[in-house]
Amino acid sequence: EAQVTQNPRYLITVTGKKLTVTCSQNMNHEYMSWYRQDPGLGLRQIYYSMNVEVTDKGDVPEGYKVSRKEKRNFPLILESPSPNQTSLYFCATSRAGAYEQYFGPGTRLTVT
Amino acid sequence: GENVEQHPSTLSVQEGDSAVIKCTYSDSASNYFPWYKQELGKRPQLIIDIRSNVGEKKDQRIAVTLNKTAKHFSLHITETQPEDSAVYFCAASKGFGNEKLTFGTGTRLTIIP
Repeated sequence: EAQVTQNPRYLITVTGKKLTVTCSQNMNHEYMSWYRQDPGLGLRQIYYSMNVEVTDKGDVPEGYKVSRKEKRNFPLILESPSPNQTSLYFCATSRAGAYEQYFGPGTRLTVT
Repeated sequence: GENVEQHPSTLSVQEGDSAVIKCTYSDSASNYFPWYKQELGKRPQLIIDIRSNVGEKKDQRIAVTLNKTAKHFSLHITETQPEDSAVYFCAASKGFGNEKLTFGTGTRLTIIP
């Protein structure tokens, strides 16, 4: 079954404590992206990756890091989380040359 | 960069009536315009999309129209049903849509039985 998985699904943490949200896909898709969703602001792209070792900033990259060492995985790293990073995070994937993005189930992050 | 504006932010329609959601974009180089539906607590899912070489596309009860000159595109849902209640997002991209996709702020559609 084609899947995009994210872990954890829910996380409550404290300011400054480094965390990683994982994203994994089994569809052999080249493109992977991270979005954050906030009420009234829609979905905003944080980072995207066009293939292994190729990443680029989206619209709101400040405070986030990513890496793409393997095709199937695209972790999102918050080195020093702050309360303004409290949000719902989605990973999305798509095939090169295709249009549709497939979203993961989402990770709800709360930073206190 | 690209800016996508979406209106209205909330929309309530009687079951069976039509709903229209409108989006405008700023970058004339954008050439791909998808619409995503997000049900409560779920992930966004693509429902229809249109490319810049097409003016209109239909899929059963939903349709999307694109006016490149005016830089706006719209989602039309006819014969609305309770399961159409959701948040709808428009988006725009210059590439295949999977590189840099800029979303609108969303429209919460409520179908009144």
